[in-house]
Amino acid sequence: NAGVMQNPRHLVRRRGQEARLRCSPMKGHSHVYWYRQLPEEGLKFMVYLQKENIIDESGMPKERFSAEFPKEGPSILRIQQVVRGDSAAYFCASSPTGLGRLTYEQYFGPGTRLTVT
Amino acid sequence: RKEVEQDPGPFNVPEGATVAFNCTYSNSASQSFFWYRQDCRKEPKLLMSVYSSGNEDGRFTAQLNRASQYISLLIRDSKLSDSATYLCVVGRSQGGKLIFGQGTELSVKP
Repeated sequence: NAGVMQNPRHLVRRRGQEARLRCSPMKGHSHVYWYRQLPEEGLKFMVYLQKENIIDESGMPKERFSAEFPKEGPSILRIQQVVRGDSAAYFCASSPTGLGRLTYEQYFGPGTRLTVT
Repeated sequence: RKEVEQDPGPFNVPEGATVAFNCTYSNSASQSFFWYRQDCRKEPKLLMSVYSSGNEDGRFTAQLNRASQYISLLIRDSKLSDSATYLCVVGRSQGGKLIFGQGTELSVKP
């Protein structure tokens, strides 16, 4: 059973370009979360999605950032007009569908390291 | 005040030592509690969920005190491979976002 998959693993963008980060959840998981870890800081929640729905985007910056989880295909985190401060590790996590204790547990992908030059 | 607070360490211990990590959380509505470990800023890996009754997995024991809003992790007979950053993590609701502490760094020396 493959884990959470993210690509690319490393992404370099110049200031002003767009970054697209992709995440495929574990098989059987329909909840996807994005977190960001800035250098020397802890992980911070960004957004929580289910298929075709944004459930909680309270951690998303107001501008330039968007996320989607379409009916088919991976979840995408999109950053427009990147700036140096966007350089960070972006982790995706997924959790199981259904009820019960196990649905609280989130499993993380390897992350995408974004560097803005 | 941070929602989840941990002693940042580092904790430097010899192999075989017992080490305890503590964590406090401020939101009494929190419903789920976890310890994750993170190696060299790779992806966090779930170590264990923490239940009110306390739970044990081999050398690892986790405790939760809801009244004091306090979570602990005890590692017995520590191994070199236990060296990592240990993250105290709290969730507010089923399927909801997780709030991470800053992490406690552990270094186990031979």
